[in-house]
Amino acid sequence: KAGVTQTPRYLIKTRGQQVTLSCSPISGHRSVSWYQQTPGQGLQFLFEYFSETQRNKGNFPGRFSGRQFSNSRSEMNVSTLELGDSALYLCASSPQTSGGETQYFGPGTRLLVL
Amino acid sequence: LAKTTQPISMDSYEGQEVNITCSHNNIATNDYITWYQQFPSQGPRFIIQGYKTKVTNEVASLFIPADRKSSTLSLPRVSLSDTAVYYCLVGDQAGTALIFGKGTTLSVSS
Repeated sequence: KAGVTQTPRYLIKTRGQQVTLSCSPISGHRSVSWYQQTPGQGLQFLFEYFSETQRNKGNFPGRFSGRQFSNSRSEMNVSTLELGDSALYLCASSPQTSGGETQYFGPGTRLLVL
Repeated sequence: LAKTTQPISMDSYEGQEVNITCSHNNIATNDYITWYQQFPSQGPRFIIQGYKTKVTNEVASLFIPADRKSSTLSLPRVSLSDTAVYYCLVGDQAGTALIFGKGTTLSVSS
């Protein structure tokens, strides 16, 4: 099976712009989670989608939003970008058929805000 | 979700066995213990997962004592390519927010 894919892999934006990142989960996986990784804060949970519904949300401002489509693909959007949004954004998927399942991460999208 | 504590860093030489211990005193009955490996600018990669006793796969072994308040990831005969950050997490199911701590930075030298 193909792994989790994320596009684009690299992105440069300026403050005030908005950005949309895309994630395609492993085939058959229904849960998609998003994480932000920065040198200072480490890996932080953004939100999780399951069957097109946001099921969990981390402690991030409303500028960060996401959605999931019927084919389980997911997008996350960041509006009014700030310098501090520069980070590696990671997407992870899991089957979500039973407890104890692990999450499989994609390679990430490196976002640089200037 | 149970909080985990692990050493910030460890050093080793090629060919040695490395054991990284993680403390999770408040682990819940339904929690599994999962270890991830992460290389710079890449997503974390699943290494191993267990609930109790010992689990072994082609990459590592995971030892969990009866009280489950700690666990030890064992990497046999490490190589330079094992230099990475290793994260220990506990949780009851995927989809729950994974809480990553600082992880353990393992440096393997020749």
